[in-house]
Amino acid sequence: AQKVTQAQTEISVVEKEDVTLDCVYETRDTTYYLFWYKQPPSGELVFLIRRNSFDEQNEISGRYSWNFQKSTSSFNFTITASQVVDSAVYFCALRSNNNDMRFGAGTRLTVKP
Amino acid sequence: EAGVVQSPRYKIIEKKQPVAFWCNPISGHNTLYWYRQNLGQGPELLIRYENEEAVDDSQLPKDRFSAERLKGVDSTLKIQPAELGDSAVYLCASMERDLNTEAFFGQGTRLTVV
Repeated sequence: AQKVTQAQTEISVVEKEDVTLDCVYETRDTTYYLFWYKQPPSGELVFLIRRNSFDEQNEISGRYSWNFQKSTSSFNFTITASQVVDSAVYFCALRSNNNDMRFGAGTRLTVKP
Repeated sequence: EAGVVQSPRYKIIEKKQPVAFWCNPISGHNTLYWYRQNLGQGPELLIRYENEEAVDDSQLPKDRFSAERLKGVDSTLKIQPAELGDSAVYLCASMERDLNTEAFFGQGTRLTVV
């Protein structure tokens, strides 16, 4: 069975601080896909980043970066120089090779001015 | 290109009444998901379609929930009869056949059962 755990329920930072959101996953598949989505107050889930299980290269995209480590089954997401507009709920998701996609419980990020 | 469209955006019904939600996925997307999101929680999968076939409905409460995806395009999720505990946001998402891609979500339908 697949499972995604986001241990941080809520995080509060001051604008311009860096913040890292943690995600730990469980799967028996050798091929899988990991995602981060953002859910602003409007409610729509917005795709942020995607990573394949066979590519552990960590990247930076603007203010976003991620750290994928298969050895610890973790897929952490970092926002650099946070802004008030980053305030939202962030979800980590795991999709298996058969398209079964599961989400974590989410982390509510509040960025204070 | 239009995104995933869901309707209605909001629905308030009395318990024991039926309700239906509609989803129009992105054109060409073979995979369609229905999720339920309770307040303060993550989306929970209800059913997944590959074209018109329901390939995973193990978490769909079949005594009161039903879904269909005629012709492998639009999909409808129905609850009959609704219970107070069904109050939640119902999210629809679609995805291309290519696995190296992401799912796109609609704005959801917020259901309140009173």
